[in-house]
Amino acid sequence: ETGVTQTPRHLVMGMTNKKSLKCEQHLGHNAMYWYKQSAKKPLELMFVYNFKEQTENNSVPSRFSPECPNSSHLFLHLHTLQPEDSALYLCASSQGTAFTDTQYFGPGTRLTVL
Amino acid sequence: QKEVEQNSGPLSVPEGAIASLNCTYSDRVSQSFFWYRQYSGKSPELIMSIYSNGDKEDGRFTAQLNKASQYVSLLIRDSQPSDSATYLCAVNNRHQKVTFGTGTKLQVIP
Repeated sequence: ETGVTQTPRHLVMGMTNKKSLKCEQHLGHNAMYWYKQSAKKPLELMFVYNFKEQTENNSVPSRFSPECPNSSHLFLHLHTLQPEDSALYLCASSQGTAFTDTQYFGPGTRLTVL
Repeated sequence: QKEVEQNSGPLSVPEGAIASLNCTYSDRVSQSFFWYRQYSGKSPELIMSIYSNGDKEDGRFTAQLNKASQYVSLLIRDSQPSDSATYLCAVNNRHQKVTFGTGTKLQVIP
């Protein structure tokens, strides 16, 4: 599925590094999401943006900082992460946030924090 | 109680059989329900969505919803080895928030 792209696909970083994850959607959607997927755990919603405005912050630590400059792009800025932050980070988009709106996922960024 | 519960499996079925995947949810006023398939190392991809009680069929897949019992299921007919994956149940609750289950791992044995 090329409708939602994510870069980089793999990232290894130290606890003192600063890095950013990028997501871009080519579907003309208005809502974008960041999820964290750890082994043996359900997908955890982190942030929701609708029309560039943040509508959900699911009690995410401040070492994760999202940015949504427009409806097509979403970033997740990372700094001073912990080893337990190692996970697959998935971006998704949907037409809107109505209950019928399906979310489409990007390929994910596999993050390892050393 | 978990918001969305699934048996983690693995569920093993022989090739050609019907695979039945189940999901229960806790928020009685949930409005929409989704099944995603996730291959190992890949991102989730939508298989089916269902909003009303009853059955919804799409090819070899049938989603079943029973809001009174707070239960949604996915049936896969004529299971193929390529169906082997983890199937995620997702529920859009009253707060327009989609919550995912932990997924059921399906293994189709040739």
